[in-house]
Amino acid sequence: KAGVTQTPRYLIKTRGQQVTLSCSPISGHRSVSWYQQTPGQGLQFLFEYFSETQRNKGNFPGRFSGRQFSNSRSEMNVSTLELGDSALYLCASSYFTGPLSSYEQYFGPGTRLTVT
Amino acid sequence: AQSVAQPEDQVNVAEGNPLTVKCTYSVSGNPYLFWYVQYPNRGLQFLLKYITGDNLVKGSYGFEAEFNKSQTSFHLKKPSALVSDSALYFCAVRDGSSSNTGKLIFGQGTTLQVKP
Repeated sequence: KAGVTQTPRYLIKTRGQQVTLSCSPISGHRSVSWYQQTPGQGLQFLFEYFSETQRNKGNFPGRFSGRQFSNSRSEMNVSTLELGDSALYLCASSYFTGPLSSYEQYFGPGTRLTVT
Repeated sequence: AQSVAQPEDQVNVAEGNPLTVKCTYSVSGNPYLFWYVQYPNRGLQFLLKYITGDNLVKGSYGFEAEFNKSQTSFHLKKPSALVSDSALYFCAVRDGSSSNTGKLIFGQGTTLQVKP
């Protein structure tokens, strides 16, 4: 089975621009989560989607948004980029379906975003 | 508040020696605990999880973890370290504040250095 794929792998953007990152989950996984990884803050949760619905959202400003499509693929968008948005953005997919689910998340390789 | 602590930024061991990477957690409800490993320029790889059952959990690449409810700990162990085990290790707990989320809360990570 193919793993989680993320595109692009690397991005360089200028402050004030916007960016869209894409994630394709493992086949059969309907839950997709996004995390931001930085040296200073570590791994922080951005959002979680299940069946095209946002199920949970982390403590990030409204410039960060996401969506999930009917084929479970997900995108996240960051508008008005700031220098502090430079990070590795990780997507994870899971069989997680609800409260009793114990499935682990599987991570993609990430998109390295550099804002200059 | 849900949290995970990895008290050591770095752990150094000699190849062939046993290794332990420490993790303590604070979560409401039953803890769902995970260990992940990250190699340079890669995403996170799932190693093992504790949901319920035996306190000693076996995972990938010869790793195991011991769940201790009274000490709220979930330490990662391996009987004989390999140089190739050198990487960044993350402990994570599923957010128990909501029953309907797969959101993970991560520790800050521990760099494992195995010397030949």
